[in-house]
Amino acid sequence: DAGVTQSPTHLIKTRGQHVTLRCSPISGHKSVSWYQQVLGQGPQFIFQYYEKEERGRGNFPDRFSARQFPNYSSELNVNALLLGDSALYLCASSLYETAERGYTFGSGTRLTVV
Amino acid sequence: QKEVEQNSGPLSVPEGAIASLNCTYSDRGSQSFFWYRQYSGKSPELIMSIYSNGDKEDGRFTAQLNKASQYVSLLIRDSQPSDSATYLCAVQNTGGFKTIFGAGTRLFVKA
Repeated sequence: DAGVTQSPTHLIKTRGQHVTLRCSPISGHKSVSWYQQVLGQGPQFIFQYYEKEERGRGNFPDRFSARQFPNYSSELNVNALLLGDSALYLCASSLYETAERGYTFGSGTRLTVV
Repeated sequence: QKEVEQNSGPLSVPEGAIASLNCTYSDRGSQSFFWYRQYSGKSPELIMSIYSNGDKEDGRFTAQLNKASQYVSLLIRDSQPSDSATYLCAVQNTGGFKTIFGAGTRLFVKA
């Protein structure tokens, strides 16, 4: 079985541009969460989606948005990129609505904003 | 006060020793607690989960939880060089829709 897949793996963007990151959860998992990890820090919660509905949102500006599709895959969109958005973006998949059994993470998308 | 606090380390132990990693959290309503291992350049991997007070053992790993003290720990027995990684403590918030991670503790196991 495929694990959590994320695309692209690496991305370089210019300040002010827009980016879309994609995630496919483990087959059968209906919950997808997005995290941002800056070098040297732990992952910071951005969004959680379950059954195509937003269930949780972290302390990120409105430039960050996400959605989940009927096949449970998900997109994270970031508008008006800033240098500080450079980070590893992690998608986490969970079988349960509230991830009480923990996450399986994808390999991440490394975003560099120049 | 940070929601989940860990010593950043690095923690250095000799091969074969016990590594002890600690974590405190602020949300008294939390019910689910996790330890993730993250190798350099890789994504986090779940290694332990614990939900009730006391100890939970899985191979060389033991997780300990004390909800009254809002304290979680991870013991790694017979540490191996392959255990060298960053260990992330994670706590699910009350309501369960957000898991908060600490900044991680870097562990080095010297051969």
